Amino acid sequence: QSVLMQPPSVSGAPGQRVTVSCTGSVSDIGAGSDVHWYQQLPGTAPKLLIYRNTRRPSGVPDRFSGSKSGASASLAITGLQAEDEADYYCQSYDINLDASVFGGGTKLTVL
Amino acid sequence: QVTLKESGPALVEPTQTLTLTCTFSGFSLSTRGMRVSWIRQPPGKALEWLARVDWDDDKFYSTSLKTRLTISKDTSKNQVVLTMTNMDPVDTATYYCARTLFPEARVFWHDYWGQGTLVTVSS
Repeated sequence: QSVLMQPPSVSGAPGQRVTVSCTGSVSDIGAGSDVHWYQQLPGTAPKLLIYRNTRRPSGVPDRFSGSKSGASASLAITGLQAEDEADYYCQSYDINLDASVFGGGTKLTVL
Repeated sequence: QVTLKESGPALVEPTQTLTLTCTFSGFSLSTRGMRVSWIRQPPGKALEWLARVDWDDDKFYSTSLKTRLTISKDTSKNQVVLTMTNMDPVDTATYYCARTLFPEARVFWHDYWGQGTLVTVSS
């Protein structure tokens, strides 16, 4: 069982907006640790999508955005495209374990 | 350009020790603030952080696996090595190495990842 909680799946039609939630605890997100998001396309390694809650690495479209409030965070994807179909993982830092912690992953299906 | 690549055996037998090597370029582990982590992903399952080594040779391990893991670095070769003892079929997974940034307290993420190497544990 993963430390951070994510819905197993979300879906949306092309052009729509979807959100993926990530819920932590008092020892990670709730302790003030930043949240980061990764996109994993089928058969490939994870790729950094959002870091420090809201920042996008160079090359990531502005259709992807992140937010954080309290012990939770969200990834929003607007203008859904078929190429966005992937698994999305949130990640944070557990201050008690001194460890990186991940969510269970959310599979995005573009209908 | 930062790149990382994992190498090691594709198949190990139960109870054996696994040794994986991460060879990287585009940064140096002798530079202050640089860190490398190992992360694994069983087939169809989520990511799990395993261990990390820092530029100053500090090492950190997953609490649940720390008795079985050893991480080390060879700065001259730009390599990080992970060993995992007493392998079991549940350890079957794709193992990734990733550059890790930790610029301040509570801010810790993995910005570049290797392609991963699938390790199957079976007799």
